[in-house]
Amino acid sequence: EAAVTQSPRNKVTVTGGNVTLSCRQTNSHNYMYWYRQDTGHGLRLIHYSYGAGNLQIGDVPDGYKATRTTQEDFFLLLELASPSQTSLYFCASSDGGENTGQLYFGEGSKLTVL
Amino acid sequence: GDQVEQSPSALSLHEGTGSALRCNFTTTMRAVQWFRKNSRGSLINLFYLASGTKENGRLKSAFDSKERYSTLHIRDAQLEDSGTYFCAAGANTGKLTFGHGTILRVHP
Repeated sequence: EAAVTQSPRNKVTVTGGNVTLSCRQTNSHNYMYWYRQDTGHGLRLIHYSYGAGNLQIGDVPDGYKATRTTQEDFFLLLELASPSQTSLYFCASSDGGENTGQLYFGEGSKLTVL
Repeated sequence: GDQVEQSPSALSLHEGTGSALRCNFTTTMRAVQWFRKNSRGSLINLFYLASGTKENGRLKSAFDSKERYSTLHIRDAQLEDSGTYFCAAGANTGKLTFGHGTILRVHP
């Protein structure tokens, strides 16, 4: 069973604040993803990566940076948080590209921007 | 517009009954995945299909790439089946698109 761990699980910050969400997977998957989930929108892809040092832009990247430091670790960075970024963030990994690999999700990180 | 249209948006079932969720795609998808978000907020992978059907216990899923749809059938629904169900599919562009989800409530 794939293990994807996110931290923090809950975070509250103020507008303009700096937030880093962390994700670690321990199954040697090549692909890692960051999604946000909002009511009425399902999950939307922010950024993804197919290996250490690689970064690909997703569908809703504005206001977010990401960095894949190792095969295991993928970080999502909000350098100037805004209330519109209040959301539930999910990290996922897979052993193939999105079309060929089963996704395994972390348990989510709830971010509130006041 | 959205590439993945999921229906219904909400579903209420009596314990022991069944129903089906459906996702229609506006383009040809290479594979579909179904997830359930449980009461703890975790996303559980239910099925991954590149074609055909798969069955797991009381759940059965089908995917027809040519006809551009996928279904998730639930039979003999139990209280613990309650949650939000998502389909997600990928086209040749390489990005996975999620449906908006179906909120399932199973009641006694």
